[in-house]
Amino acid sequence: DAKTTQPPSMDCAEGRAANLPCNHSTISGNEYVYWYRQIHSQGPQYIIHGLKNNETNEMASLIITEDRKSSTLILPHATLRDTAVYYCIAYISGGYNKLIFGAGTRLAVHP
Amino acid sequence: NAGVMQNPRHLVRRRGQEARLRCSPMKGHSHVYWYRQLPEEGLKFMVYLQKENIIDESGMPKERFSAEFPKEGPSILRIQQVVRGDSAAYFCASSPGTGAYGANVLTFGAGSRLTVL
Repeated sequence: DAKTTQPPSMDCAEGRAANLPCNHSTISGNEYVYWYRQIHSQGPQYIIHGLKNNETNEMASLIITEDRKSSTLILPHATLRDTAVYYCIAYISGGYNKLIFGAGTRLAVHP
Repeated sequence: NAGVMQNPRHLVRRRGQEARLRCSPMKGHSHVYWYRQLPEEGLKFMVYLQKENIIDESGMPKERFSAEFPKEGPSILRIQQVVRGDSAAYFCASSPGTGAYGANVLTFGAGSRLTVL
C-alpha cells in the first residue's frame, strides 16, 4: 500500500470548516483513499473513502486531486466532538488486504 | 443491528496468567481483524481472519499470542503468560468481505483494555 503523509496536528475553530490534507504521491491506480478517525480511547470510526471522484456523505467530503497524489478531508462545520486523530490510508479495496494506520493528524476543535 | 461487540471491556490479569478477548463481528461480516494500541501510541495491525482461517498474522508476536475465528461463535484473541508490556487496548474490527464497493470498510468495536499487574 502507498505511504501517506499527514500533518501531525491541526487546529480548527468550532463552526468552521476543517480541511485535513493528505499526500499519497505513490498511490497506485487500484488504491482507494480511506479516512478513519479515532476519538480519544474509542474504537476507530470509518468516515469516507474514494478512488478518484470527489465523495460526500453525512459526515464529510473527500476531495481527491486529478492526479490522485493528494486529497483533502473536509468537515464542513466542525464541532468540539470532532476533536480526534484522523487517519488517511491508501488501500487496495478487495482482495485480502489489511488496513495499516499511520500516525494521523490530531485535530483539535476549539470554541 | 448491533455493531462489533467486544468483551470484556476491561480485563485485569497478573503476570503469567492468560487473557482471552472475544469479538463478535457485525451480522453478515465474515472478516475479522485485531489491532493493538499501546498507551499513547498508534494502532498496530495484529491479525486478519476469515471464518476458520487465518489470512494474515504478520503483526502477531511469535510467542504467547494466538487468534481464532471458529465456524460458530466469536473470534478469540488469546494471550498466554501475560507480561506488563501486554497492557494495551485491543480493538477488533469486522468487514463484509471482498468484492463490492464498501466491502472492505472496517467497523471497529469499542475495544478491550487489558491491564497486567
